[in-house]
Amino acid sequence: KAGVTQTPRYLIKTRGQQVTLSCSPISGHRSVSWYQQTPGQGLQFLFEYFSETQRNKGNFPGRFSGRQFSNSRSEMNVSTLELGDSALYLCASSSDRNNEQFFGPGTRLTVL
Amino acid sequence: QKEVEQNSGPLSVPEGAIASLNCTYSDRVSQSFFWYRQYSGKSPELIMSIYSNGDKEDGRFTAQLNKASQYVSLLIRDSQPSDSATYLCAVRDYKLSFGAGTTVTVRA
Repeated sequence: KAGVTQTPRYLIKTRGQQVTLSCSPISGHRSVSWYQQTPGQGLQFLFEYFSETQRNKGNFPGRFSGRQFSNSRSEMNVSTLELGDSALYLCASSSDRNNEQFFGPGTRLTVL
Repeated sequence: QKEVEQNSGPLSVPEGAIASLNCTYSDRVSQSFFWYRQYSGKSPELIMSIYSNGDKEDGRFTAQLNKASQYVSLLIRDSQPSDSATYLCAVRDYKLSFGAGTTVTVRA
């Protein structure tokens, strides 16, 4: 079974721009969660989507948003980029049967 | 107090030894506990999940959970150089909360 895929793998943007990241979950997984990983803050939860609905949200500003499509693929968007948004953005999917989350390879975002 | 705390590293062990990693959590209602391994420059990889008190063994890995003490640990037996990585403890209620990670180096 193919794993979680994320595109693009690397992005370089400048302050004030916006960015959209994409995630395709493992086949059959309906839950997709997004995380931000930085050296200073570690892994932090952004939000979770299930059946096209945001089910949970972390403590991030409204510049961070997401959505999920009917095929469970998910996108996250960051508007008005700040230098502090430079991070590894990770997507994880899980099945309905258990709470195990499997991560994709991540998108490395650099904001200049 | 952080939600999930791991013993500070880095941890250096000789090849063939046991590496012991510890984690405490603050939320008593948490029911699902996980250990992830993350190699430098890579994403976290799930290596163990544990849901009930006691031990769970998978190959060279043993996870131990004590909900009364709000404590979960991971033992790596017969440590190999390929085990050198950062190990992340994660606790789930509605989201995964991660510890800061413990970096393990296995000396050949």
